[in-house]
Amino acid sequence: DTGVSQNPRHKITKRGQNVTFRCDPISEHNRLYWYRQTLGQGPEFLTYFQNEAQLEKSRLLSDRFSAERPKGSFSTLEIQRTEQGDSAMYLCASSATLGVQQYFGPGTRLTVT
Amino acid sequence: DQQVKQNSPSLSVQEGRISILNCDYTNSMFDYFLWYKKYPAEGPTFLISISSIKDKNEDGRFTVFLNKSAKHLSLHIVPSQPGDSAVYFCAASPAGAAGNKLTFGGGTRVLVKP
Repeated sequence: DTGVSQNPRHKITKRGQNVTFRCDPISEHNRLYWYRQTLGQGPEFLTYFQNEAQLEKSRLLSDRFSAERPKGSFSTLEIQRTEQGDSAMYLCASSATLGVQQYFGPGTRLTVT
Repeated sequence: DQQVKQNSPSLSVQEGRISILNCDYTNSMFDYFLWYKKYPAEGPTFLISISSIKDKNEDGRFTVFLNKSAKHLSLHIVPSQPGDSAVYFCAASPAGAAGNKLTFGGGTRVLVKP
């Protein structure tokens, strides 16, 4: 099965530390998305890539957040100087260029203590 | 402001009966709507979608209805099965931007009792 994979699945960090998450999309998908989900809420859009180009960023993506997708394959999401409010599930999704349906990975659960 | 709303946080239904989940949206630019199911510790899984040019789409036990004038959609699951117990999210995508960001509702937790 070559679905969307995310690593790590869980991350516990202390406030002020930097963390990086990785997402490997479905191989033939050109679009890659990052979402954040907090308890009791639906996923909220953070950013998306078309191949290696980052085409849109949400206002939720503060300066402490940066995402990359080198070579248009896997993507990383880095959070610098983590805060307790960053504790959430970070979801990655991918889709084909002409498809609306997005396929989600299992997510990375971040806990900032 | 919340552009996609699911006003029922939870729903309990007997196995074999119909589950009806509702979703309202405010943004007229949305023209494609999707339903996702989510189990604990897993990512959302696509269930069914509908374009704004249709008012109904059916796939097996799942049917989605769209009322554009009311900015309302619903998901019907018939018959409901215990394995359908999960959180269901309604999501919407804007016109002319197929494949762009999805805006999700807050979810409805469904419990199907045997």
